Amino acid sequence: LAKTTQPISMDSYEGQEVNITCSHNNIATNDYITWYQQFPSQGPRFIIQGYKTKVTNEVASLFIPADRKSSTLSLPRVSLSDTAVYYCLVGYLGNGGSQGNLIFGKGTKLSVKP
Amino acid sequence: GAGVSQTPSNKVTEKGKYVELRCDPISGHTALYWYRQSLGQGPEFLIYFQGTGAADDSGLPNDRFFAVRPEGSVSTLKIQRTERGDSAVYLCASSLMGHDNEQFFGPGTRLTVL
Repeated sequence: LAKTTQPISMDSYEGQEVNITCSHNNIATNDYITWYQQFPSQGPRFIIQGYKTKVTNEVASLFIPADRKSSTLSLPRVSLSDTAVYYCLVGYLGNGGSQGNLIFGKGTKLSVKP
Repeated sequence: GAGVSQTPSNKVTEKGKYVELRCDPISGHTALYWYRQSLGQGPEFLIYFQGTGAADDSGLPNDRFFAVRPEGSVSTLKIQRTERGDSAVYLCASSLMGHDNEQFFGPGTRLTVL
């Protein structure tokens, strides 16, 4: 089972770009990499998902090198409301009834300061 | 449409009691997940349903924990003979198909075992 390692915490200032790296040395061929954001007293919220190279959406970019042993979540121009815990998730590709075991990392607590 | 809902939002019980936690997924989502989250930790996978059947229950900690989804929609997580160590936030998520899709999380049920 793939396991993930992330920094415990990061600090940033409003308007800066934030990059959070997740290590997943034992990632399997079928595993996808997904990032979630969680605010206190709320369930996690999907940010972005990718398999290889680069994925970009309206809120973030995800960079995955060729060996897929790590990934980097990039948040452009963060604001105070981006203060949250960010989780890196590595999971099996579902295919109907195929089984899998989804493992969250311990998360990175991002604090954005004015 | 409505998101994932969970009831109750808070549950306080005594050691040894039986509890049921309910999850209403997003309509049409075939996959449903239960997680447990302790303070300062990432969500811990418990069980995954594809339709009515449990496709993966490898995360259930012991036989005191059981979950059902009889009609492929609402799910109930059942905990027998609760222990103080069961205290945590229990999160439910649903997705359209399986592990490769975005999971939508509910707000969670905070269980406190006295």
